[in-house]
Parts: sequence; C-alpha cells; structure tokens
Amino acid sequence: QSALTQPPSVSGSPGQSVTISCTGTSSDVGSYNRVSWYQQPPGTAPKLMIYEVSNRPSGVPDRFSGSKSGNTASLTISGLQAEDEADYYCSSYTSSSTYVFGGGTKLTVL
Amino acid sequence: QVQLQESGPGLVKPSGTLSLTCAVSGGSISSSNWWSWVRQPPGKGLEWIGEIYHSGSTNYNPSLKSRVTISVDKSKNQFSLKLSSVTAADTAVYYCARIVVSYDAFDIWGQGTMVTVSS
Repeated sequence: QSALTQPPSVSGSPGQSVTISCTGTSSDVGSYNRVSWYQQPPGTAPKLMIYEVSNRPSGVPDRFSGSKSGNTASLTISGLQAEDEADYYCSSYTSSSTYVFGGGTKLTVL
Repeated sequence: QVQLQESGPGLVKPSGTLSLTCAVSGGSISSSNWWSWVRQPPGKGLEWIGEIYHSGSTNYNPSLKSRVTISVDKSKNQFSLKLSSVTAADTAVYYCARIVVSYDAFDIWGQGTMVTVSS
C-alpha cells in the first residue's frame, strides 16, 4: 500500500487560514469516510484532531475542520495561531482492512 | 483515563528481533477497541505496522507482514510487538496506540520509544 499524498509544507500568518490536502485512491480515502488527521509538535506523540473526515474530538478547537471530495481529504485550520505550528498527518482505513498514513505536512506559522 | 506505555530495548543488533510491549492502564485491553503499533523513522513520517483485538485477531501492514507478530496478554493488560530480521531501516520511534472501532481512528497514543538497530 502506498502512503497518502500530502504537501511537504504549508505556511500562513497568524489569523489566516490554511488547508492541507491528503490524496489517496479509490481503495482508501475514496471508499471510506474513515479519514482522520493528527497533529504532531516536535518531539511529541501524534494527537487526534479530526476523525471520520470532519468530526472533532472533545477539546479540539473548532478552528480545525475537515472535508472530503472523491479521493482527496482536506484539513483546514482557520484563525492560525503560533501554537498550531506542527507536523500534520492524515490517515485512512483501506479496503485491505489496514491503515495508511500520509507523508506528513509541516505547518509553519509565519 | 486510558494511558499507554511502551517498553523494551533501545538497541537491537542487525538480523536480530525487536521486541516491545505496550502496557494499558486506566482501562481494559478487552474493551471494544483494536490496539496498534505505529513507527516513525527519524525525520520521516508515520507508518502503520499492525493491530490486534483482545480475541487475538490481527491485521498487518503488507510490507512488514512476513516479519511482524503482534500478540496480546489479557492477564497483564498489555500487547506486544515482535519484528524479526531487523536492519538499520527499522530504526525508528515506535508508538503503541488505541484504535476506536466505531470510527477507525487512533485516539490514544503512548509517548513512543526509540529503537536503534546497530551493531
């Protein structure tokens, strides 16, 4: 199974919005709403930010939102804050009953 | 509140077997969740290794399947990872994580443990 495709980096200024894409195939992202997003600041474990494409766990700010169209899922962070600077990973369940992660995107808050 | 803690040797020799354990506290490993291992080579992205249910059912990453064994010990409330025939490419931070069945997401993670493959 191939990793989902994410842009290596994105950036934005405080208060702006950024969107991170995650492209898979009809065997993963395109077939299931089991797409999740994780935030990983340097030296820490990943943290679940979005599940089932667009749902936020308790405690995650509503500045974080998710969507999906076809084989591509997206994470949007609005009202950027300095604390949002981290690596972000998408993940999807697959038709082989496995999971696949994206390559990761480094978010820089300018 | 469920917490996960990885443990095991930080250094493994090439061609040897990497063995790690994940202790589950604050909850039962027999709950309706899957338990998973994920790794992250230095400076690289996350890679799913495999998962286990308390019944012993497993699923593995096809690229690692021939070398991976994940097992569960309900009496100790823990699960384990064995990765055989390791090379330098297996050097990584290894995380254990809980998968919530209802939405197939990794909601709780251990802090991770660094394993280096070197002679």
